[in-house]
Amino acid sequence: GDSVTQTEGLVTLTEGLPVMLNCTYQTIYSNPFLFWYVQHLNESPRLLLKSFTDNKRTEHQGFHATLHKSSSSFHLQKSSAQLSDSALYYCALSGYQGGRALIFGTGTTVSVSP
Amino acid sequence: EAAVTQSPRNKVTVTGGNVTLSCRQTNSHNYMYWYRQDTGHGLRLIHYSYGAGNLQIGDVPDGYKATRTTQEDFFLLLELASPSQTSLYFCASSEGTGKEVFFGKGTRLTVV
Repeated sequence: GDSVTQTEGLVTLTEGLPVMLNCTYQTIYSNPFLFWYVQHLNESPRLLLKSFTDNKRTEHQGFHATLHKSSSSFHLQKSSAQLSDSALYYCALSGYQGGRALIFGTGTTVSVSP
Repeated sequence: EAAVTQSPRNKVTVTGGNVTLSCRQTNSHNYMYWYRQDTGHGLRLIHYSYGAGNLQIGDVPDGYKATRTTQEDFFLLLELASPSQTSLYFCASSEGTGKEVFFGKGTRLTVV
């Protein structure tokens, strides 16, 4: 079945440094939707950005990601981390356009310090 | 913004007890989902539904039943609760595949 792999459980960095979170996926479907969700402490997950198009960069709130179907990857990046970026980040996959639910990775906690 | 309301927000029950978690969405979304969130496991799909009367099995369905009574209401039932079901449960809804999923505030369930 569909699956999403996030290799980093915890990323700690200093404010102002770049951040990259890894996401790879497996699906038998050729046109998956890929998402990044962010969850701040004591809040619910909310959509950060999504993509359906191969090799096209998607941006939102200073974050960006590019779906690469050749490598089944959808890494999240930001050029300069802020304290407010401290949160739990989930990569998620919807592998079937006809109606499969979102499948999430295990999440990466980002901790940004001054 | 889409509204998804869960109740109760917190629940403590004993092993073997019955628990019903409720979820209502008021945005005419066809799709509704139940996830559980656990450290180290992320968000795992329990059950989901395409519409009233429809039920689809998710990835971790054992020990859970669900029922979608109307387009708005989706319930998660634990008929013989076990300590392994202690978790934070999220209900969510969306218009469909590829669309944004909106989450409720969660129900924290503790089974003692």
